Amino acid sequence: GDSVTQMEGPVTLSEEAFLTINCTYTATGYPSLFWYVQYPGEGLQLLLKATKADDKGSNKGFEATYRKETTSFHLEKGSVQVSDSAVYFCALTDGGYQKVTFGIGTKLQVIP
Amino acid sequence: DAGVIQSPRHEVTEMGQEVTLRCKPISGHNSLFWYRQTMMRGLELLIYFNNNVPIDDSGMPEDRFSAKMPNASFSTLKIQPSEPRDSAVYFCASSLQGGNTEAFFGQGTRLTVV
Repeated sequence: GDSVTQMEGPVTLSEEAFLTINCTYTATGYPSLFWYVQYPGEGLQLLLKATKADDKGSNKGFEATYRKETTSFHLEKGSVQVSDSAVYFCALTDGGYQKVTFGIGTKLQVIP
Repeated sequence: DAGVIQSPRHEVTEMGQEVTLRCKPISGHNSLFWYRQTMMRGLELLIYFNNNVPIDDSGMPEDRFSAKMPNASFSTLKIQPSEPRDSAVYFCASSLQGGNTEAFFGQGTRLTVV
């Protein structure tokens, strides 16, 4: 079945540091890929997405590129802020029902 | 649209009691998902519906769990009888089938069984 593997956290960074959270996937067919973010006490929000190979999703300074050859969708941001502290989930949908398969989530803490 | 609406936001109940969680999906969406989130297991898909029909309930942990979707605008997840290990945050999400669009999540119901 489909699966998503992402680096386990927590990840602690100083403000303005560079962020990378690795994500790889296994899927039959051609999945769409997503990064969701969960702030404390809230539900999941879509951060960015990519629906086909070589697409780059971007939002709020975050970027991720759909790499079919390496089955990866790594999340990056050039300069993190304290307000970016949250849990980040890599996910995919495959097939008509849009069932979302999530990675385990990576907690990011940014310190001033 | 107000987004996916879940109720209650918090529920505290005693072991053995019946618990019902409610979800109103986004109007026009035809897929609905129930997830459970715990520290130990992360996000688990419990069940999902398409056009009000259950498609896959293989994630439902036990027969104590049941879910229904009587119409396109309402779904329930019921636990009877509840146990302390059911304590978790339960999320409902909805999406539009076939559109390569994302799932939209509700704010979740934090369930505590004492």
